[in-house]
Amino acid sequence: GAVVSQHPSRVICKSGTSVKIECRSLDFQATTMFWYRQFPKQSLMLMATSNEGSKATYEQGVEKDKFLINHASLTLSTLTVTSAHPEDSSFYICSAREEQGAGEKLFFGSGTQLSVL
Amino acid sequence: SQKIEQNSEALNIQEGKTATLTCNYTNYSPAYLQWYRQDPGRGPVFLLLIRENEKEKRKERLKVTFDTTLKQSLFHITASQPADSATYLCAPGKAAGNKLTFGGGTRVLVKP
Repeated sequence: GAVVSQHPSRVICKSGTSVKIECRSLDFQATTMFWYRQFPKQSLMLMATSNEGSKATYEQGVEKDKFLINHASLTLSTLTVTSAHPEDSSFYICSAREEQGAGEKLFFGSGTQLSVL
Repeated sequence: SQKIEQNSEALNIQEGKTATLTCNYTNYSPAYLQWYRQDPGRGPVFLLLIRENEKEKRKERLKVTFDTTLKQSLFHITASQPADSATYLCAPGKAAGNKLTFGGGTRVLVKP
């Protein structure tokens, strides 16, 4: 099946710094990728839809200046948490769809656990 | 607004028994419904997709039903094994390419 690689898997940073998370589709092209965040024992919350070559679409309540998304190629999307604060500590997960074949199911990365001190 | 509900209480089940999970949705008419498995600290993994015109779908020991009248999907794990212990998420969807919204998930714990 399709593979989505996400890095880093874990990051600890000081408050005020920026953190970049990468999401790559390894063996397929993904015009669209999705970024979710998940708090402990809660479900996935969609943050934004990342579109290759255009601006991301953010969900209501998600600050686009805080969570910068760049989808520069068909295999790479990045999420940058700018000026991170302790409340940004969470599990961030990216996902992508194959453009051909079964179009509905999502392939997820392994997630990034962000801890802001 | 659209609402997706799964039993938030963990389901404890004895090995070999059938686990049944429920996914209810309101204010929504999905074209299909997906089920995913998530292990702690990992991203979800796709399990099954059932479309609105399908009543039942099977994959190995998994079975999914979809009742558009009741606005409900049931997810069954037959002959459950300790390795089936995980959180199971449902996600109704409208069309290919659209974003997916997930239910809160139900944690399953299969005891040997």
